[in-house]
Amino acid sequence: DAKTTQPPSMDCAEGRAANLPCNHSTISGNEYVYWYRQIHSQGPQYIIHGLKNNETNEMASLIITEDRKSSTLILPHATLRDTAVYYCIVSNSWGKLQFGAGTQVVVTP
Amino acid sequence: DTGVSQDPRHKITKRGQNVTFRCDPISEHNRLYWYRQTLGQGPEFLTYFQNEAQLEKSRLLSDRFSAERPKGSFSTLEIQRTEQGDSAMYLCASSLGQRPDYGYTFGSGTRLTVV
Repeated sequence: DAKTTQPPSMDCAEGRAANLPCNHSTISGNEYVYWYRQIHSQGPQYIIHGLKNNETNEMASLIITEDRKSSTLILPHATLRDTAVYYCIVSNSWGKLQFGAGTQVVVTP
Repeated sequence: DTGVSQDPRHKITKRGQNVTFRCDPISEHNRLYWYRQTLGQGPEFLTYFQNEAQLEKSRLLSDRFSAERPKGSFSTLEIQRTEQGDSAMYLCASSLGQRPDYGYTFGSGTRLTVV
């Protein structure tokens, strides 16, 4: 599976959009981009995934560049409950996830 | 609660003792995964089952570790002769099918402390 690079931490003001970048320059054609988050002392929670097109669900939006070498997770209106470690993962279809260190996001009032 | 259930939530054991953790997946999920997470790091894959068959084991899973999933339902992870380096959060996840978004759900984990 391709490796990903994320900033170790970022802060966001409550109510503002949080834009979380991820680089995955070695991604191959059959690999999806997945985002998970982990709130302290809980298991990781699935957020969103995509292959080529931008995706949106009730939690977030995922923007994937045309060359697929990077992506951005957008939390449109961050709340205090969005404080968590966010993981960007690139994986083929068979279910084993390789987590990096992720981005610690702190939402402040 | 229809999520993934792990028991116990916390375990403190003395070095050299054996410990066993249990994971109950979502009932219709045929795949079950074990991960280990140390402080400040992301989860690391250990092993996974499709039904009762153990299909892959990571190099992290030394011969002191054994996992089973009898009858393709719940799973157990046993660590023999625990060492301080085994202290970690052990996470279980389950999914329907082989793509992570097919309901790939994690439990809350078992935190092991070896003293």
